[in-house]
Amino acid sequence: QSALTQPASVSGSAGQSITISCTGTSSDVGRYNLVSWYQQHPGKAPKLMIYEDSKRPSGVSNRFSGSKSGNTASLTISGLQAEDEADYHCCSYTGSSTPWVFGGGTKLTVL
Amino acid sequence: EVQLVESGGGLVQPGGSLRLSCAASGFTFSGYSMSWVRQAPGQGLEWVSYISSSSTTIHYADSVKGRFTISRDNAKNSLFLQMNSLRVEDTAVYYCVRESSYSFNYWGQGTLVTVSS
Repeated sequence: QSALTQPASVSGSAGQSITISCTGTSSDVGRYNLVSWYQQHPGKAPKLMIYEDSKRPSGVSNRFSGSKSGNTASLTISGLQAEDEADYHCCSYTGSSTPWVFGGGTKLTVL
Repeated sequence: EVQLVESGGGLVQPGGSLRLSCAASGFTFSGYSMSWVRQAPGQGLEWVSYISSSSTTIHYADSVKGRFTISRDNAKNSLFLQMNSLRVEDTAVYYCVRESSYSFNYWGQGTLVTVSS
């Protein structure tokens, strides 16, 4: 199972919106509505931000939203804030004997 | 409050072994599937292994199959990862994670495993 493809880095100004893409295949991202997104600040453990493509866990800001089209999932962050600067990782369930595959991670810089 | 606390990491020579432990609290451990996820220095996340709530289903990443063994003790609210035949490329922070709705909703703070001669 190959890793999902994410851009290495994205940037945006405070107050703007950005979108991070996550491209997989018809065997993972495109097959199930089970993409999740994780935020990770330096030296910290990842935090679940989006699950089942577009659902937000309790306590996660509604500035974070998830969507999917075909084999590509997307995380959109609106009203960028300084504290959003972090690494973002996507993950998809595959239904195979290796059930989960992650993307390579995207570093978000807030200008 | 859900807590996952890993231990057992450290420096080991190539070919050596380590056993990681994860102590769970704040939830009914026996009711949840668990996984180990690792992160090599400066790299992305990699799912390593999964165990169902009653240990009936176990999966491994191809990169560790045959070398790592996942297990759990529901009576002691503990998750384990026995790592044998360690390689330099196994160097990473290993996270204990709770699975829910096919995602990982709680993470431990991680334990660092360094494989080097």
